[in-house]
Amino acid sequence: QSVLTQPPSASGTPGQRVTISCSGSSSNIGSNTVNWFQQLPGTAPKLLIYSNTQRPSGVPDRFSGSKSGTSASLAISGLQSEDEADYYCAAWDGSLIGPVFGGGTKLTVL
Amino acid sequence: EMQLVQSGAEVKKPGESLRISCKGSGYSFTTYWISWVRQMPGKGLELMGRIDPSDSYTNYSPSFQGHVTISADKSISTAYLQWSSLKASDTAMYYCARLGGGGYSARMDVWGQGTTVTVSS
Repeated sequence: QSVLTQPPSASGTPGQRVTISCSGSSSNIGSNTVNWFQQLPGTAPKLLIYSNTQRPSGVPDRFSGSKSGTSASLAISGLQSEDEADYYCAAWDGSLIGPVFGGGTKLTVL
Repeated sequence: EMQLVQSGAEVKKPGESLRISCKGSGYSFTTYWISWVRQMPGKGLELMGRIDPSDSYTNYSPSFQGHVTISADKSISTAYLQWSSLKASDTAMYYCARLGGGGYSARMDVWGQGTTVTVSS
């Protein structure tokens, strides 16, 4: 049981916009910034979004993040087949005194 | 180029000990904490613990406290994850990742390529 809650799966067709949610509590998302990671099949995770909304260099602007209260969302616009991957959210948790992950969302591009 | 390079795949028997490594390059190794993340087959990411390479201060997630040891040798820019007695349930992929936002963040901005550990009799 992960500390942060994500839907196990999401899907969309090429060109569509999809969103993935991440729900937490006051000790994590509610008081700290959220990060998102993309894990393509058979590869290591990659930082996709940090500090709720910031994209590292090289990440397309099709990817965007938002946060409100104790929840956060990752949006992917102009969905492409290469976006098919697992997506994880993570945040610092002040009660557990460490970073915590969501359970991951498997995105399928139909 | 900033990178973390991990040691190769391991196949061990239950009860054996193991140490895997994660070598940093392209940045000041002592400036950023290193975290270790477990991914069991077909499962999600789990934070095991983290270490400040500058002074080897270590913090473990409750689920892993007492089961693994995290250490670092700043003279060779390398962090380690160690088991004294492996179990079959330790079979997983293990990643190291740099905490780019400091020790009190979840911004893992540089990842190693992963080390597969298989424990089987």
